[in-house]
Amino acid sequence: GENVEQHPSTLSVQEGDSAVIKCTYSDSASNYFPWYKQELGKGPQLIIDIRSNVGEKKDQRIAVTLNKTAKHFSLHITETQPEDSAVYFCAASRGYQKVTFGTGTKLQVIP
Amino acid sequence: GAVVSQHPSWVICKSGTSVKIECRSLDFQATTMFWYRQFPKQSLMLMATSNEGSKATYEQGVEKDKFLINHASLTLSTLTVTSAHPEDSSFYICSARLIGADTQYFGPGTRLTVL
Repeated sequence: GENVEQHPSTLSVQEGDSAVIKCTYSDSASNYFPWYKQELGKGPQLIIDIRSNVGEKKDQRIAVTLNKTAKHFSLHITETQPEDSAVYFCAASRGYQKVTFGTGTKLQVIP
Repeated sequence: GAVVSQHPSWVICKSGTSVKIECRSLDFQATTMFWYRQFPKQSLMLMATSNEGSKATYEQGVEKDKFLINHASLTLSTLTVTSAHPEDSSFYICSARLIGADTQYFGPGTRLTVL
């Protein structure tokens, strides 16, 4: 089955700096890669996703890149703000099959 | 759009009782819903996949007789934890997938505490 590794497990950045979270996946047939933000005591919220036919996608301060050859994808958050502090999960899936989640990254933005 | 609700948001029950958690897609129809369990500071663990009108598919190691799942309509799935014990205490989260799409939207979660 699919295996998703995520790094780092914790990340502290100064407000205004950029944050990068990296994930690798094992199943070369995976074609859908969502990213979720989870605040304490809440369910995960989809913040951005990318499909295998695209190498990069951007939505305001958030961007995701995908390298299919290397089987890794990354989340980039620019101009970080305190409200960006949360746990971020990457995930991968093949078609309509179940989604496999990474282990999560706790991001702390220091004012 | 794509809002998923869960009820209740938290529940405390006595050991040996059963608890039902509802998951609803409020503004879309979902043929498939998923149930996850999450322990503190850990990732989401898929428990089962629920398809409308058919039996749920459980992940390896998940007791189907203990975690009963019903998906009676395109907007409602329920998870019943039967004969709950303290080790069942956890954060239970559902998600729903739009018909014909691969995107999952998550509910706010239900905190279950078994005394």
